[in-house]
Amino acid sequence: GQNIDQPTEMTATEGAIVQINCTYQTSGFNGLFWYQQHAGEAPTFLSYNVLDGLEEKGRFSSFLSRSKGYSYLLLKELQMKDSASYLCAVRSPPEGDSWGKLQFGAGTQVVVTP
Amino acid sequence: GAVVSQHPSWVICKSGTSVKIECRSLDFQATTMFWYRQFPKQSLMLMATSNEGSKATYEQGVEKDKFLINHASLTLSTLTVTSAHPEDSSFYICSASYGVKNIQYFGAGTRLSVL
Repeated sequence: GQNIDQPTEMTATEGAIVQINCTYQTSGFNGLFWYQQHAGEAPTFLSYNVLDGLEEKGRFSSFLSRSKGYSYLLLKELQMKDSASYLCAVRSPPEGDSWGKLQFGAGTQVVVTP
Repeated sequence: GAVVSQHPSWVICKSGTSVKIECRSLDFQATTMFWYRQFPKQSLMLMATSNEGSKATYEQGVEKDKFLINHASLTLSTLTVTSAHPEDSSFYICSASYGVKNIQYFGAGTRLSVL
């Protein structure tokens, strides 16, 4: 079956580092995405991994291991504005003209405290 | 770049009426757009994939006669919720794929409340 798992909630202090893990079991794989979603707003794109390894983009980094079906999003130097839900999404292989659909995990609510 | 505009952002309607939601890619052409639905504190559920010039592909369990999707141009897709009922109240979000990696960029979402 298809499954994308991530923790429900994490709490961290301003200035600290938080690592959000995502494990997946899907019938196919065509990339893994991380999105940030503030309450009542649409998701915003953070990172994309299709090959194994670490992708770094400012304070945010994302890691992928395809053999383990595992990814993490690392948030450094946490700021209050980073309090949001972080969504892990796996893209399915292309079908016809489509690049593949995204299947989302339930999201991890990160709470940053002063 | 890769800006997706969605409107209206909020709509309240009476039960039995129809509501149209527009999704536009402002600075790129989108062959494929996607429509999602999100209930409070839950993740996004794909409703349908909208392809320019052809019929939309609906996910299992989504009624195509209730949720009409039209992708008339490379920059515009519309979702019409027909004969809306209170159980259709939800947050509807569209996205469009852009770039060599075909990353999905999302509109701001539409909150629909059916009375």
